[in-house]
Amino acid sequence: GQNIDQPTEMTATEGAIVQINCTYQTSGFNGLFWYQQHAGEAPTFLSYNVLDGLEEKGRFSSFLSRSKGYSYLLLKELQMKDSASYLCAVLDSNYQLIWGAGTKLIIKP
Amino acid sequence: EADIYQTPRYLVIGTGKKITLECSQTMGHDKMYWYQQDPGMELHLIHYSYGVNSTEKGDLSSESTVSRIRTEHFPLTLESARPSHTSQYLCASSEKENYGYTFGSGTRLTVV
Repeated sequence: GQNIDQPTEMTATEGAIVQINCTYQTSGFNGLFWYQQHAGEAPTFLSYNVLDGLEEKGRFSSFLSRSKGYSYLLLKELQMKDSASYLCAVLDSNYQLIWGAGTKLIIKP
Repeated sequence: EADIYQTPRYLVIGTGKKITLECSQTMGHDKMYWYQQDPGMELHLIHYSYGVNSTEKGDLSSESTVSRIRTEHFPLTLESARPSHTSQYLCASSEKENYGYTFGSGTRLTVV
């Protein structure tokens, strides 16, 4: 079956750096997405990786290793507004998105 | 600003009622999706469409139907609501799958 694993919850301090990991086992691979979802709201797009390596976008970076079935989202200079769930999703061989359950990130002052 | 709109935002209805959740987008996207999401859980695909008069079932489709008569409109209908349908329903659209999805604000449904 298809599976995406990410930690259920993480806690970090304002101003610090946090890395949220995602491992996946899917039937085929056509890219990996990270989305941010604040409580009670819809997910919003953060990043898309289809090639190995690091993609940097402001305070957020996303890394992909296809051979290891592994990705991480790196958040720098954490702000209170970064408190949210972060969803990892993989586009499989049928171009269907397979979603992880999300990692709830709690930022403390 | 949102280019994909869902109504109603919140809905409380009685068991056995028929309901339609509305979703419209102004981006001209061919691909549209309906997801169900419980708090702290992953998104489950209910139905999707790749264009007018094209609809496909997802994982949780057995108790609902959709239609796609116009590109911009993709309504979801529950023929007979049950308490197990209590959840958040999210509509999304995309130009291409690898461009990412744009989500609506969601409909939070409670069936009593």
